[in-house]
Amino acid sequence: AQSVSQHNHHVILSEAASLELGCNYSYGGTVNLFWYVQYPGQHLQLLLKYFSGDPLVKGIKGFEAEFIKSKFSFNLRKPSVQWSDTAEYFCAVTTRYSSASKIIFGSGTRLSIRP
Amino acid sequence: DVKVTQSSRYLVKRTGEKVFLECVQDMDHENMFWYRQDPGLGLRLIYFSYDVKMKEKGDIPEGYSVSREKKERFSLILESASTNQTSMYLCASSPPGQGGNEQFFGPGTRLTVL
Repeated sequence: AQSVSQHNHHVILSEAASLELGCNYSYGGTVNLFWYVQYPGQHLQLLLKYFSGDPLVKGIKGFEAEFIKSKFSFNLRKPSVQWSDTAEYFCAVTTRYSSASKIIFGSGTRLSIRP
Repeated sequence: DVKVTQSSRYLVKRTGEKVFLECVQDMDHENMFWYRQDPGLGLRLIYFSYDVKMKEKGDIPEGYSVSREKKERFSLILESASTNQTSMYLCASSPPGQGGNEQFFGPGTRLTVL
C-alpha cells in the first residue's frame, strides 16, 4: 500500500540549531510533494510544495526541502530554528495523475524548540 | 486569502446523538475534504467532494456521511455518535489540479463524544 513515513515523532532542539525532518514515501512514478505546518492553536497551512523542476524547494519562514527521487525522500530543513518554529509538521504526497483525494499525509512530527 | 470556516471550534455530544459539522469556503473551490486528525495517526480522509452533490469515500468513511448542496458548503454528519469518534475534525478545500493542489484548511472542530 502507498504510504508516507515520518520517522521522527517528536524532535526537541535548542534555538539556532539546524533542523532536518525526514519524510519517505512509497509511491512509484511521478509525485507531488508537500510540507504542511500546524502552529499551536492555528490552522494547518502549506509550508512548501514540489511539483517539478529544481528538486531543492524554498518555502516560507526560511524552510527548504529537497526531493531525492532515488531515495523516495522529501526531507525538510532549516539552518537555524527559532522558538516560533515550535509546531507540528506534516509531509504529504500524491501521485501526479491521481485525483486530489489521493493525497496521503504522514503521521506528523512535533517540533519543540527550547528558548 | 482563502478562508475556510468551521461552525464550531469545540463540541461535546452524547453517544447516539446525531452530529452536524459544517464547513464553508469562500474561494469557489471545486474540491472539499473532511479529515480527522488523531495523535500519531496524522490526517485521515473521511470523505471528499469534487462538485455539488458529488461525494467520494475516503479511507475511513464508516459511521459518517456528507452533504454538499452548495459549492461553498460541505457538511459532515455523524448519524449516531460514538466515543471512538472523539477527535479533531478538519475541513479543507482546494482548486482542481492534476495530482492534487494545495489544500486550504479550516481551524478544526474538536469533538468529544461522552
